Amino acid sequence: KAGVTQTPRYLIKTRGQQVTLSCSPISGHRSVSWYQQTPGQGLQFLFEYFSETQRNKGNFPGRFSGRQFSNSRSEMNVSTLELGDSALYLCASSEGFTGNTIYFGEGSWLTVV
Amino acid sequence: AQSVTQLDSQVPVFEEAPVELRCNYSSSVSVYLFWYVQYPNQGLQLLLKYLSGSTLVKGINGFEAEFNKSQTSFHLRKPSVHISDTAEYFCAVTPGAGGTSYGKLTFGQGTILTVHP
Repeated sequence: KAGVTQTPRYLIKTRGQQVTLSCSPISGHRSVSWYQQTPGQGLQFLFEYFSETQRNKGNFPGRFSGRQFSNSRSEMNVSTLELGDSALYLCASSEGFTGNTIYFGEGSWLTVV
Repeated sequence: AQSVTQLDSQVPVFEEAPVELRCNYSSSVSVYLFWYVQYPNQGLQLLLKYLSGSTLVKGINGFEAEFNKSQTSFHLRKPSVHISDTAEYFCAVTPGAGGTSYGKLTFGQGTILTVHP
């Protein structure tokens, strides 16, 4: 069974631009969540989608948004990029119920210059 | 809300020695507990999880963890480490049965385990 797939793996953007990251969950998983990982703040939860609906949201500004499609694939978007948005963005998937194992992708490395 | 404290940011150890990575948590509700490992330039891989039942949980790669409710701890142990265990380890919690924080793990700051030959 294929794991969680994230694209692109690496990207460089300029301040003020926007970026879209893509995630394909494990087959059969309906929940997709996103995390930001930085050396200073560690791993922080961004949001979670289940069957195309956002069920949970972390404490990030509105520049960070996401969506989920009917095939459970998800995208997250960051608008008006700031230098501090440079991070590893991790996507994770699960069956969507409390206690289910959450499986992570290898992440998308975003550098903002 | 939950919080997780990993008591050691770095743990150096020699190959074949035992190791313990410490994790304490705080929560006003029951929790499920997890340990993940992250190798360089990779995502997170689940080592083990505690949902209920026996407080001693066995995971992959010879790791185990013990849930201690009175001390709100979930320490990770391995009796004999290998060079290949060098990585960063994260303890995480999520609300337990009846919780609605779907997909939301609260992580500790991580412990870098370095195994020396």
